[in-house]
Amino acid sequence: AQSVAQPEDQVNVAEGNPLTVKCTYSVSGNPYLFWYVQYPNRGLQFLLKYITGDNLVKGSYGFEAEFNKSQTSFHLKKPSALVSDSALYFCAVRDGDSWGKLQFGAGTQVVVTP
Amino acid sequence: KAGVTQTPRYLIKTRGQQVTLSCSPISGHRSVSWYQQTPGQGLQFLFEYFSETQRNKGNFPGRFSGRQFSNSRSEMNVSTLELGDSALYLCASSLDQEQNTGELFFGEGSRLTVL
Repeated sequence: AQSVAQPEDQVNVAEGNPLTVKCTYSVSGNPYLFWYVQYPNRGLQFLLKYITGDNLVKGSYGFEAEFNKSQTSFHLKKPSALVSDSALYFCAVRDGDSWGKLQFGAGTQVVVTP
Repeated sequence: KAGVTQTPRYLIKTRGQQVTLSCSPISGHRSVSWYQQTPGQGLQFLFEYFSETQRNKGNFPGRFSGRQFSNSRSEMNVSTLELGDSALYLCASSLDQEQNTGELFFGEGSRLTVL
C-alpha cells in the first residue's frame, strides 16, 4: 500500500525565514506526490505535485518541493515565509489507479510568527 | 467558474439517525471523491465515483454509501449514525481520466456533529 509520513506535527518559523515541511513516502511503482494546504474551516487547496520530470517542482504561492528518490522524500519549501502561510499542510500520494484516491499524511501545522 | 459546492455546510444529528450530504462538482468534472476528516484519524478516503459508477471504495463500514448522478453531482449517505461519525466530510472533483493532471479540487466540506 502507498503511504506518506509527515514527521512533524507543528513547524514554527519567523516571518521572512525559510520554511520547510517534511514528507517521506513509501510506494510500489512510480510515486505520484502532492501537497495540499488547509486553512481553518475550509477545504483543501492544491499547492503542487510531482508526477515525473524535474526533481524540483514549483507550485502556488511561492512554494516548491524537492523530490528525492534515494531518500524517498518530498519536502515542501518556501524561501521566505509569510504570516498568511500559517495553515495545515498535507502531503499525499496517489493510491491505486485513479487520481481521486489519495493517501494523506497526518498533516503539519505551520505557525508563522511576525 | 464555480468551485465545488457542498451542502449543507453544518448539520447536527443524533445517534441512530441517517444523513445525506450533497456535492456539486466543478462543471465538466466527471470524477467525484469523498473524504472524512477527523482529529484522530486525519483524512481518510471514503469512495470515488466516475460516470455514475463507484470506482474505488475506502475501508468504511456499509453504513457509508454514495452515488453519482448523470450530471456528475454526488451524494453520500450515512445510516445509523454513531458518535464517531462526527467529522468534516470533504468532496473533491477532478477531470476525467484522460485529461486529468492529478489535481483534486475540494469543496469546503460538510461538518457533521452526532449527539
